[in-house]
Amino acid sequence: DAGVIQSPRHEVTEMGQEVTLRCKPISGHDYLFWYRQTMMRGLELLIYFNNNVPIDDSGMPEDRFSAKMPNASFSTLKIQPSEPRDSAVYFCASNRDRGLGEQFFGPGTRLTVL
Amino acid sequence: AQSVTQLDSQVPVFEEAPVELRCNYSSSVSVYLFWYVQYPNQGLQLLLKYLSGSTLVKGINGFEAEFNKSQTSFHLRKPSVHISDTAEYFCAVSSRSMNQFYFGTGTSLTVIP
Repeated sequence: DAGVIQSPRHEVTEMGQEVTLRCKPISGHDYLFWYRQTMMRGLELLIYFNNNVPIDDSGMPEDRFSAKMPNASFSTLKIQPSEPRDSAVYFCASNRDRGLGEQFFGPGTRLTVL
Repeated sequence: AQSVTQLDSQVPVFEEAPVELRCNYSSSVSVYLFWYVQYPNQGLQLLLKYLSGSTLVKGINGFEAEFNKSQTSFHLRKPSVHISDTAEYFCAVSSRSMNQFYFGTGTSLTVIP
């Protein structure tokens, strides 16, 4: 199994631009999570999906952030417009049982907004 | 409500010395506990987990942790660390009734040659 795949690994953009981060979960996993990691705030859960449906988006910082999961094998996290304070590492994770099982993390996307 | 506290943000230790990384949790329900490791520029990977049964849990790379319900702790230990253990370590709590994992703020372990 290839594990959780994220792209791009690094993204540098200018303030005001749209940014789209992509994630492919492990096949058969029906939960998908988006996290953000910064030095100041640590690891924060932004949103999670079950069977492609968003279940809890209370961690999404503001309306500039949106996430979709059009099918079981693909999810996107979009920031529009981006701001310098959005600079962080964004992780995608998946698992079969959100309350019990191990979460498998992707390698992350390091986003820098200038 | 559930929460996880990692008491030490940074732990320096000499190579081949023992180490303990502390984790305390608060929860009103039965919990499942996890330790993850994050090597530089990588994602998190599971070290070990406690779901039920024996309170002493053994994980990868020689790490182990002990679930102590009375003290609400799940400290991570290794009897002899290597340079390659230098990483960030995260404690996490979950349960059947929760809708997410709760991660601690992380402990940065630095192994000194």
